[in-house]
Amino acid sequence: QLQLQESGPGLVKPSETLSLTCSVSRGSLRSSRFYWGWIRQPPGKGLEWIGSISYSGSTYYNPSLKSRITISIDTSKNQFSLKLRSVIAADTAVYSCARFDGYGGSRGIDPWGQGTLVTVSS
Amino acid sequence: QSVLTQPPSVSAAPGQKVTISCSGSSSNIGNNYVAWYQQFPGTVPKLLIYDDTKRPPGIPDRFSGSKSGTSATLGITGLQTGDEADYYCGTWDNSLTTAVFGGGTKVTVL
Repeated sequence: QLQLQESGPGLVKPSETLSLTCSVSRGSLRSSRFYWGWIRQPPGKGLEWIGSISYSGSTYYNPSLKSRITISIDTSKNQFSLKLRSVIAADTAVYSCARFDGYGGSRGIDPWGQGTLVTVSS
Repeated sequence: QSVLTQPPSVSAAPGQKVTISCSGSSSNIGNNYVAWYQQFPGTVPKLLIYDDTKRPPGIPDRFSGSKSGTSATLGITGLQTGDEADYYCGTWDNSLTTAVFGGGTKVTVL
């Protein structure tokens, strides 16, 4: 069964770059049907889609974050990554990587990684 | 404020049925599939329903999804204490060009 696992720092200073990697196991990123992406959830709040990427590298970003994010994919390592630049306290959230059916997950987002809390603080 | 509107909470006694509404517009629910997610405290969401009405393998048939126009509904029958969780609807918005979610509904078993 496909598994995803996030990795990266749990604490990032304001104005710096948040960098996370999602490692995929028991399956391959090489799928023409599925997309791979990130969702975040601030503590006690709802879900926010960050963006998605296809195995060929086509990206789809949340317009509200587009100027600050880059999502990339490395199919040789079975990994994809997120970079969020110029972070502020409001970027503090649990960040989850996931597989998307449809680039926005309109046909379902499954499975999800376990999520990782990233705190923006000096 | 979320693009999709859900009631903050619903409750019912064990064995009863609850329904959770998710209201949107023609730019999202009206023209795209809807998915539903279940989230327990301290965990990430889990896919319950996709393509408006379909259940992934392993999801009990006590959970059902439906859609009419610009609204979708999640139904839970035979309510169990283990169903106490937050439930989110989600879809794509063609105008905003972003995935959108409801604000979440907390299900309480009385």
